[in-house]
Amino acid sequence: SAVISQKPSRDICQRGTSLTIQCQVDSQVTMMFWYRQQPGQSLTLIATANQGSEATYESGFVIDKFPISRPNLTFSTLTVSNMSPEDSSIYLCSAIDTKTYEQYFGPGTRLTVT
Amino acid sequence: TQLLEQSPQFLSIQEGENLTVYCNSSSVFSSLQWYRQEPGEGPVLLVTVVTGGEVKKLKRLTFQFGDARKDSSLHITAAQPGDTGLYLCAGAATDSWGKLQFGAGTQVVVTP
Repeated sequence: SAVISQKPSRDICQRGTSLTIQCQVDSQVTMMFWYRQQPGQSLTLIATANQGSEATYESGFVIDKFPISRPNLTFSTLTVSNMSPEDSSIYLCSAIDTKTYEQYFGPGTRLTVT
Repeated sequence: TQLLEQSPQFLSIQEGENLTVYCNSSSVFSSLQWYRQEPGEGPVLLVTVVTGGEVKKLKRLTFQFGDARKDSSLHITAAQPGDTGLYLCAGAATDSWGKLQFGAGTQVVVTP
C-alpha cells in the first residue's frame, strides 16, 4: 500500500497569514487529492492535484484561497492563503496506488488559526 | 452531490458483542470504501468493494456491498477494545475515481 507523509503535522497560525502543507508519497500514484476535515465533521474534497497542470477544484473551493502544486508523481503541496479562524481544520492528502487502485490518506495536518 | 447516510452515529458495546454499521444512499456508486480513523490520525483503509452483492471478510470484519451498489454494511464479530474508532464509509461515483463522498461516520466504543 502507498505510504503518505505530510508536513507539518500541526501548526498554529495567525489570521491573515498563509501556510503551505507538503505531501509526499513513497511510491508512484495515479492521482492525488486534498481533503479537509472540519472539527467534528467528516471529510470534504477540496481538489484534485494534477501533475504539471492546474488543480481541479470542487464547488466552494477556489485556487486563490487554496493554491495547489504537483510538480511530480509523488509530491504535492496545498497552501491555505489569507487564513481566518474558519480555516481551522485537518487537511489531508490522499492518493490512489497505481498497483492496487486503492485510495489511501496521509496522517493529516491539524491547522489552528487564531 | 451524492449523499451517504451512516447509521448509527454512535455505538457503545461490551467486548465480545457483535455490531453492524450501515451506509446508505439513493445513488449508485462505482466503488465504496470503509475507513477507520482514530483521534489525531488520518483515515486508514479497511476495504474497497466494487461489485454489487460483493462480500469481503477481514478477520472479524465482514463488509457487504448492496446488489444495486447503493448501500453497504460493516459487521464486526466479537468486538474488541482495539476496534474502537470512527468508522467512515466513502463512495466514488462513476467517472469520479478518487473523488470520495464521505458519510458522517459512526463512532464505535468497545469497552472491556
